Amino acid sequence: DIVMTQSPDSLAVSLGERATINCKSSQSVLYSSTNNNYLGWYQQKPGQPPKLLIYWASTRESGVPDRFSGSGSGTDFTLTISSLQAEDVAVYYCQQYYSTPYTFGQGTKLEI
Amino acid sequence: EVQLVESGGGLVQPGGSLRLSCAASGFIFSSYWMIWVRQAPGKGLEWVANIKQDGSEKYYVDSVKGRFTISRDNAKNSLLLQMNSLRAEDTAVYFCARGGFYAEDPFDCWGQGALVTVSS
Repeated sequence: DIVMTQSPDSLAVSLGERATINCKSSQSVLYSSTNNNYLGWYQQKPGQPPKLLIYWASTRESGVPDRFSGSGSGTDFTLTISSLQAEDVAVYYCQQYYSTPYTFGQGTKLEI
Repeated sequence: EVQLVESGGGLVQPGGSLRLSCAASGFIFSSYWMIWVRQAPGKGLEWVANIKQDGSEKYYVDSVKGRFTISRDNAKNSLLLQMNSLRAEDTAVYFCARGGFYAEDPFDCWGQGALVTVSS
């Protein structure tokens, strides 16, 4: 199984400041034939289901504000929120969909 | 509008059974892989199972193999999860999610979830 490890577990950032969350996979999730990284980022607010923010490691889902960006390749990935807004308080998860079982990171709790 | 609505959750004793349903609307259900993901209270997300568009391929996390069965009824736009031999560690909110044309696609739409509690 591919193990996904996020850092940090929790993060406090001031409004308007940058937030960075890291995700490392135990093996590469880059599929050479497509040159895609099978890595997504999800946001989950209290009492709500997860919401897809970023897929293929760096493609923003429709409707997601452009302050959210994803980067990285192979085994190391980053989610960046360029200017934190109050509504961004949530738990963020990375997930690999390269191979079953599709595994998630443990989550990073983002606070202000 | 794409919508997924789970039902069938509840309290069940250890060793018991429960069947979850997910009603899909707003998209061509038969064109997508579908997924179940669960979240134990206060914990992270765990992929449980997925099923191909025509039901010909199904995959499970090891911890539920032989106990849970995923299925779908494309005529009724419905995803199902039959859960047998339930254990305390199966207690979780179960989310239905939409995949893509391929198994290896992100989960782009989620239901609100159904709570399953396994306790005596």
